[in-house]
Amino acid sequence: KAGVTQTPRYLIKTRGQQVTLSCSPISGHRSVSWYQQTPGQGLQFLFEYFSETQRNKGNFPGRFSGRQFSNSRSEMNVSTLELGDSALYLCASSLGSRAEKLFFGSGTQLSVL
Amino acid sequence: AQTVTQSQPEMSVQEAETVTLSCTYDTSESDYYLFWYKQPPSRQMILVIRQEAYKQQNATENRFSVNFQKAAKSFSLKISDSQLGDAAMYFCAHPNEKLTFGTGTRLTIIP
Repeated sequence: KAGVTQTPRYLIKTRGQQVTLSCSPISGHRSVSWYQQTPGQGLQFLFEYFSETQRNKGNFPGRFSGRQFSNSRSEMNVSTLELGDSALYLCASSLGSRAEKLFFGSGTQLSVL
Repeated sequence: AQTVTQSQPEMSVQEAETVTLSCTYDTSESDYYLFWYKQPPSRQMILVIRQEAYKQQNATENRFSVNFQKAAKSFSLKISDSQLGDAAMYFCAHPNEKLTFGTGTRLTIIP
């Protein structure tokens, strides 16, 4: 069974640009959640999608958005990039229950210059 | 607000010895789950162990076990017979509406 796949692995952007990150969950998983990891703030929840609907959202500005497709693949978009958006973005998938463990991808390392 | 606290930013242990990583949490729920995740240098988070709060028995997975104290809201991870491959960041996590992580403990294994 293929794991969670995130693309691209690395990304370099400049301030003001926008970026789209992709996440393909494990087959059969309907929940995809996104996390931002930085040395200063640690792991912070961005949002979760379940069956194409946003089920939960963290405390991030509206520049951060996401969506989920009918095949459960998910994308997150960050518009008007700021230096502080430089981080490792992790995606995780699960069957959807809070009791279920999350399967994580290897992340996308975003650097904003 | 749900919070998860890991008070040990870094820990080290001799290979083959035992180490305990601490975690405390805050929740208003009576039935919930707690997790320990490991993040090696590859960056991919991996589940180490899961505890169900309504179960009195502490969870165990091979060399990994927890000491779950529900009243004290404490959830520590014990690693026995530490191996070089155990070197990683360890995160304690509690899912409510969202999965909340602690700040992590970096574990170093000394050969």
